[in-house]
Amino acid sequence: QMQLVQSGPEVKKPGTSMKISCKASGITFVRSAIQWLRQARGQRPEWMGWIVVGSGKTKYAEKFQERLTITRDMSTSTVYMELSSLKSEDTAVYYCAAEIGDLGFDPWGQGTLVIVSS
Amino acid sequence: DIVMTQSPLSLSVTPGEPASISCRSSQSLLHGNGDNYLHWYLQKPGQSPQVLIYLGSQRASGVPDRFSASGSGTDFTLKISRVEAEDVGVYYCMAALQTPLFGQGTKLEIK
Repeated sequence: QMQLVQSGPEVKKPGTSMKISCKASGITFVRSAIQWLRQARGQRPEWMGWIVVGSGKTKYAEKFQERLTITRDMSTSTVYMELSSLKSEDTAVYYCAAEIGDLGFDPWGQGTLVIVSS
Repeated sequence: DIVMTQSPLSLSVTPGEPASISCRSSQSLLHGNGDNYLHWYLQKPGQSPQVLIYLGSQRASGVPDRFSASGSGTDFTLKISRVEAEDVGVYYCMAALQTPLFGQGTKLEIK
């Protein structure tokens, strides 16, 4: 069974970048697509983008197209999400989640709180 | 753009009683392969969301059989036959046909 463990909380200044890691364990990593979502306090989850682990192909939501980069390191079974030009509105809990086939997003990482504040 | 609408937005249920949540999509989620690309998630307090139902009506692994779901196209329903205390949290439907999009969520509380 795959498990996803994310890096720890961060505090960032507006205009800077953040990079969160999502380390997978379990043999299904290479068959998965890793999703990135975020959830502001009291809001619904918002999908940001995904990476197909095997091919490295990525897809980003239109609103993040210009400042989001998702990469993976097969040697360490880790996926990275980098978001640049941070604004206070980017304050949220960021999640990675795996998708294999059409079974929904399962499992999810534990979430990473990112606070953007001057 | 697709819009996902859930109702009700909150629900207070006595343990052992049933509960039902509706999810409506502004566009059909029925794929040409016959599957409805609509998933249900539960986010328990302080936790990450977890999948309950995928492709409209398929229970995810480990999900109790008191959870069931139905619907096709644009209208979907999640039902809990007998609510238990551990079912509290926010339930989300998510359209998965194109860009994943969540409904507003339905908060379930225990009376």
